[in-house]
Amino acid sequence: DVKVTQSSRYLVKRTGEKVFLECVQDMDHENMFWYRQDPGLGLRLIYFSYDVKMKEKGDIPEGYSVSREKKERFSLILESASTNQTSMYLCASSLDSSGDNEQFFGPGTRLTVL
Amino acid sequence: AQKVTQAQTEISVVEKEDVTLDCVYETRDTTYYLFWYKQPPSGELVFLIRRNSFDEQNEISGRYSWNFQKSTSSFNFTITASQVVDSAVYFCALSEGAAGNKLTFGGGTRVLVKP
Repeated sequence: DVKVTQSSRYLVKRTGEKVFLECVQDMDHENMFWYRQDPGLGLRLIYFSYDVKMKEKGDIPEGYSVSREKKERFSLILESASTNQTSMYLCASSLDSSGDNEQFFGPGTRLTVL
Repeated sequence: AQKVTQAQTEISVVEKEDVTLDCVYETRDTTYYLFWYKQPPSGELVFLIRRNSFDEQNEISGRYSWNFQKSTSSFNFTITASQVVDSAVYFCALSEGAAGNKLTFGGGTRVLVKP
């Protein structure tokens, strides 16, 4: 079974803090994704990566950056957390860039920025 | 740009009733893929089904069935004889062939099945 794990289920941070969200997948998938989920808006893509050290902006990259130094790990970074970044963050991975590949999701990190 | 719309935000039914979730999509690509995911209260999205734009054959899998109609750009999902365990948020998603594996999600429909 594909396993996608995220470092924390719940996280509380203060405005202005630097926040790291970690995601690890164990099936040698090429693609990894970060989404945020907000009520009524579904999931929105923040950043994605097709390969190690490679990253591309998604639909809402402002205020975020990412790092992929190893194939199995994809980190989401909030350089200076703000209250409007309070949300559920979901990481996903997929085998490769074929459009019909399903994505496998982690359990999510619910981040609260005070 | 691609777009996915799930007009129903929440549906409440009594156990054993049928539930149909609507999904309408927009895309300019001729090659695309449609997905349904389920998000139970635990939070982890679970893949249910995918369809490609060249395969309009509808499918039944146990209590689940899917109705894909290109003419109306719809990809609807039905749960027959609903059960309490079907309570979850259901997402419809679109992947365009030229965009690799990126998904565009609808807003989700919360299904509550009461005993």
